[in-house]
Amino acid sequence: GQQLNQSPQSMFIQEGEDVSMNCTSSSIFNTWLWYKQDPGEGPVLLIALYKAGELTSNGRLTAQFGITRKDSFLNISASIPSDVGIYFCAGINAGNNRKLIWGLGTSLAVNP
Amino acid sequence: DAGVIQSPRHEVTEMGQEVTLRCKPISGHNSLFWYRQTMMRGLELLIYFNNNVPIDDSGMPEDRFSAKMPNASFSTLKIQPSEPRDSAVYFCASSKVAGNGYTFGSGTRLTVV
Repeated sequence: GQQLNQSPQSMFIQEGEDVSMNCTSSSIFNTWLWYKQDPGEGPVLLIALYKAGELTSNGRLTAQFGITRKDSFLNISASIPSDVGIYFCAGINAGNNRKLIWGLGTSLAVNP
Repeated sequence: DAGVIQSPRHEVTEMGQEVTLRCKPISGHNSLFWYRQTMMRGLELLIYFNNNVPIDDSGMPEDRFSAKMPNASFSTLKIQPSEPRDSAVYFCASSKVAGNGYTFGSGTRLTVV
């Protein structure tokens, strides 16, 4: 099935550093979502974006809906050890009736 | 709000056996989704229901897989007969509003030996 191109695949950073990850698609999306998955749990929604150009924050997390509607990025500022996990992007395009298209995830490790 | 509840959390079964995974969506959510997660393929949508009716089952791997939603508060995913390649984490998710993100359950880790 269709998947989004998510990068990087993994990151290993020092506590306090900022993190950036992004997703791109060949298709236009009208919704972008960012999830985080902790070990042994299901993904949890972090940020939802509904308009091209939209920039939304959730604490230390900031995400943007690209103006071309084909990409999105997620930034984490001043990382802490509990940011460890796998981050997924997901998109919904106009014709898909709530079917999410997923990236393969960015695995984040934070060294205290 | 108890969230999306899945059972069992872990299942180990022998090849050829029938496996039934269960899901209770969040009350008031009218859409339910079954996903499979593996390292190689990530999250794959198997099937989803709107108002208890299956809308798209194109992700169901083959006839060995079946899903039902007899009422708004319960769904099952059945694999019969199970095979080792079915080993994965199976997630159920539900949503209320079109176009919003889902709420996932904690998943069932299935191991077929």
